[in-house]
Formats: sequence, C-alpha cells, structure tokens
Amino acid sequence: QSVLTQPPSASGTPGQRITISCSGSSSNIGSNTVNWYLQVPGTAPKLLIYSYNQRPSGVPDRFSGSKSGTSASLAISGLQSEDEADYYCAAWDDSLNGPVFGGGTKLTVL
Amino acid sequence: QVQLVQSGAEVKKPGASVKVSCKASGYTFITYDINWVRQATGQGLEWMGWMNPNSGDSGYAQRFQGRVTMTRNTSISTAYMELSSLSSEDTAVYYCARAPVPAQFGGWFDPWGQGTLVTVSS
Repeated sequence: QSVLTQPPSASGTPGQRITISCSGSSSNIGSNTVNWYLQVPGTAPKLLIYSYNQRPSGVPDRFSGSKSGTSASLAISGLQSEDEADYYCAAWDDSLNGPVFGGGTKLTVL
Repeated sequence: QVQLVQSGAEVKKPGASVKVSCKASGYTFITYDINWVRQATGQGLEWMGWMNPNSGDSGYAQRFQGRVTMTRNTSISTAYMELSSLSSEDTAVYYCARAPVPAQFGGWFDPWGQGTLVTVSS
C-alpha cells in the first residue's frame, strides 16, 4: 500500500488532455514539494516534473504539474502515443523521514 | 553527459548479502547525494536511503535500518549499497539516483542508473 494514492490506470486518445491525480496528507504533499517520474516498462524511471511544475530540459511543455492542499496533479496535453508509460508522483514525508511514492498510474493512449 | 552505471544482475540465497555498485560520470561525484530506490516486479517504487558522497553520511528508511549500508569510493566515483539478511521479498530491481537537491529538502532524483536485478532464491 503506497503512502501517496494514484489511480492505477488512465487513458486518452491522441491530442486529448488528461490529468493524473496524486493524493497525500499534511505530512507529505501538504508541506513539501511534489515530483513526477515517468517509467517506460523495462527501463529506469526518468524525471518528468520537479518542484511542483518545473520541467527538466528536454521535457516538452505539454507536461505540467500542480498542487492544491494535500493533492497534486500531472496534466498532459496533446497526448501522443509515445506518452504511454507508468507515471509516479513523489514527495518527502516528514513523519516517515523519507520520500514516498505513489503506486503509479499506467497511461494508455487509445 | 551525466550518467550512473550500475553493476550487473545478482542471484543470492536467502540469508546472504548483496552489494550493488553505481559508478557516476559526467559531473563531480562528491557534489550530490546518491539515493537508492527499489522496485519489485510489477510493483511501485520504494525509497531505501541516501548517502552523501562528500562526507559519507547516510540515512536509511526505517524498514531497512540495520540491514542496509550505503558507502562510496570517491577515488573511482562509485557508490555502493549493501543489503544483508536477504529474503525472497528482497527480489527486486535496485536503482541508484542522483539528487541535485537533497531529498530531505524536497529534492528530486535525476538521473537514475539503469537498475540492477537482485534475485533471492534457494
């Protein structure tokens, strides 16, 4: 059972905008920054969004992050087939004294 | 480019220990923490701990306390993670990851190593 809660799956059609939610608590998302990672099955995770809504170089601006209270969201606009992957949210947890991850959301592009 | 290259797959018997290496290149090794994260097959990501390559200081997730040790050899820009008293539940892919900002300050992990599969089986 992951500390951060994500929907196990999400889907959309090419060109569509989708969001993936990440729910936490006051000890993690509520008081710390949120980061998002993308993982193509069989490969290592890659940083997608850091400090809520910053993108590393090379990540297109179709990807954006936001936070409200103890929840965060990842939005992907102009969905493309290559966006199919698993997406994980993460945040430091003050109670557990370490970063915690969501269980991951498998994105399917129909 | 910044890169972390990990050692190869391991097969261990229950009760044994495993030591995974993570060689850094493309940046000054002692500048940023190295974290370790594991992922069991079909499961999510689980943080194990961090290590400061400059000071050698480390911090571990509570569930691994007493069983994990993170060290480094600065002369060869390599970090190590050793996990002891292995059981089948430790079968997973183990990743090292650089933290440009320490995790305890809201830091993120970038880049990640390619992963090392550790299989624990009798």
